[in-house]
Amino acid sequence: DGGITQSPKYLFRKEGQNVTLSCEQNLNHDAMYWYRQDPGQGLRLIYYSQIVNDFQKGDIAEGYSVSREKKESFPLTVTSAQKNPTAFYLCASKEADWADTQYFGPGTRLTVL
Amino acid sequence: QQQVKQSPQSLIVQKGGISIINCAYENTAFDYFPWYQQFPGKGPALLIAIRPDVSEKKEGRFTISFNKSAKQFSLHIMDSQPGDSATYFCAASGGSNYKLTFGKGTLLTVNP
Repeated sequence: DGGITQSPKYLFRKEGQNVTLSCEQNLNHDAMYWYRQDPGQGLRLIYYSQIVNDFQKGDIAEGYSVSREKKESFPLTVTSAQKNPTAFYLCASKEADWADTQYFGPGTRLTVL
Repeated sequence: QQQVKQSPQSLIVQKGGISIINCAYENTAFDYFPWYQQFPGKGPALLIAIRPDVSEKKEGRFTISFNKSAKQFSLHIMDSQPGDSATYFCAASGGSNYKLTFGKGTLLTVNP
């Protein structure tokens, strides 16, 4: 089955700890994206990567970091600098940044206690 | 600056009725307008999309209407079913920016 997998589905962390969310795709897509979803706020872009070994900040990058060492993987680290990290995090991919159709993973719900 | 404004925030419709969700955009460079459907605890899935060269696109019970001059587009769900209960997001992209800009979502509830 081709698609995007995110793990874990639920993640609990103590305040002040860094945490890494996994995103893997086997669609052979070049472009990958991380969004944050809060109730009533829509989807806000955190970071994106148009190609392996390259990434750019989105609209709300502060307190987050990413890497893109492999085409199929785009992990997101939520650092202790993120003031309000509790949210639903969605990974997405497209064949290329200029392509139309964007596919989403199932999401990871992060709760910081 | 919110570039895509979506309304209403929530919508309750009876089974068999028509659900209508509206979006307005500001950036005239936008040329791709998708709608996504999201069930609770799941990722969004592409439902239907339109480009400005047509004013309407229909796929089954779902129709996008597009008004370029008014910079508005809407999703119509005909014969709404309880299984359509979900959050719907409109989005737009285009020009030099291929990244999607999303509306804030509409929570649709279809009562049986």
